[in-house]
Order: sequence, then structure tokens, then C-alpha cells
Amino acid sequence: EAGVVQSPRYKIIEKKQPVAFWCNPISGHNTLYWYLQNLGQGPELLIRYENEEAVDDSQLPKDRFSAERLKGVDSTLKIQPAELGDSAVYLCASSLDLRGETYNEQFFGPGTRLTVL
Amino acid sequence: GEDVEQSLFLSVREGDSSVINCTYTDSSSTYLYWYKQEPGAGLQLLTYIFSNMDMKQDQRLTVLLNKKDKHLSLRIADTQTGDSAIYFCAETYSGGSNYKLTFGKGTLLTVNP
Repeated sequence: EAGVVQSPRYKIIEKKQPVAFWCNPISGHNTLYWYLQNLGQGPELLIRYENEEAVDDSQLPKDRFSAERLKGVDSTLKIQPAELGDSAVYLCASSLDLRGETYNEQFFGPGTRLTVL
Repeated sequence: GEDVEQSLFLSVREGDSSVINCTYTDSSSTYLYWYKQEPGAGLQLLTYIFSNMDMKQDQRLTVLLNKKDKHLSLRIADTQTGDSAIYFCAETYSGGSNYKLTFGKGTLLTVNP
């Protein structure tokens, strides 16, 4: 079974340019997460989707970041315009969340490493 | 708020045991996790422990939880060069939702032959 797929794996852009990252979760997983991982830090949650609904986007900087998961399957995270401080790894994860279950393992993709020049 | 602290570096010899430590602040943590991240890869869940447990063993991995001191440790027996990676401690807590992982900064484990 394929894991979480992310593309591109690496992206280099100049500041003020737009950039988009794509994530395809594990088949059947209803919950999708985008995380930001700065160098030397642990991942931090940006947004969480249950199916197509963004149920927690409290940590997403909405002035420049946007995300969508239109059909409740794959998802796109966009930054427009990118700033130097956005250089980081953007991780996608998915899980199968069942009602009444308190533990739901999150499976992570390999991430997209963004460099903003 | 929740916070997770880890030592940043650990170096061991191949064949020795490694012990990676973590402290957390939220007493209402429900699950505590250990993730492994190899260079250029995503995070791989190694093991987790429910907060009402003291210990969990899985092959070469032993997790110890001291809830009173809010201290979590991961012991890797017979450490191999393939264990070299960054290890993240993480928690979820009942004050939020069980999906929200809070990670430490990670411990870089270097295994010397």
C-alpha cells in the first residue's frame, strides 16, 4: 500500500513568488494534516481536514497561506507571496479517524523542502 | 499551554543502549509518542504509550513513563548504525483534541561504529 505522497520534494523560489504543495493521503484516510517543520524544530500543525472540511486552521497564517481539499482526498497548500522566513519543510500526514476512538495514528509523507531566496 | 522538551544530541557506540529523554508540561496528556526521522524523510511512528501506562516494550524499544515527574524515555537496546536519526517526543492532550500532536525539538542520535 502506498504511503502519503507529496510533491514536489524540493522547491526553490525567489521571495514574493507563489508556491504550491500537493499531498495525496493514504487511500481511505478521512483526515489530512499539513505541518510546518523549521530547521532544528519539531513539526507544527498548520491545518487539519476532516474529509473536505478544515476543522482546525488556527495556526495557518491566513494572510499568505491557503489550503484546500476539495473532494476530501488530495490537498494543496499554497503560499502567496512567499517570504524568506517560509523556508522550511512542509509535511503532510493522514489518518483514519473513527468516531469514539481516542487514538488515531498519523502517517507522514516525506515532505516538501522549500527554499525561498 | 503544552510544551515538550528534549536534549538535542546523543552519541553512542554501536551495540550499546541508547536512552533518549523527554519532559512535558501538560498533566492532561493522553498519549505520548516517539517518532523517528531519517534525513530527507518524513516522520515514522516508532511507538506510543497511553498515559495510564508506566512501561511499554516492543522488541528493542522500551518506553518508560513517569507521570508524576512528566518524564518520558525511549531506550533502544543494541543500538545499530541504522538507528542514527532524529527522534521526536510528542504528546496529545485531552485539553485539546487527541489529534493535535505537540512535538519536541528532536534528539539527534549518532551511532558510532
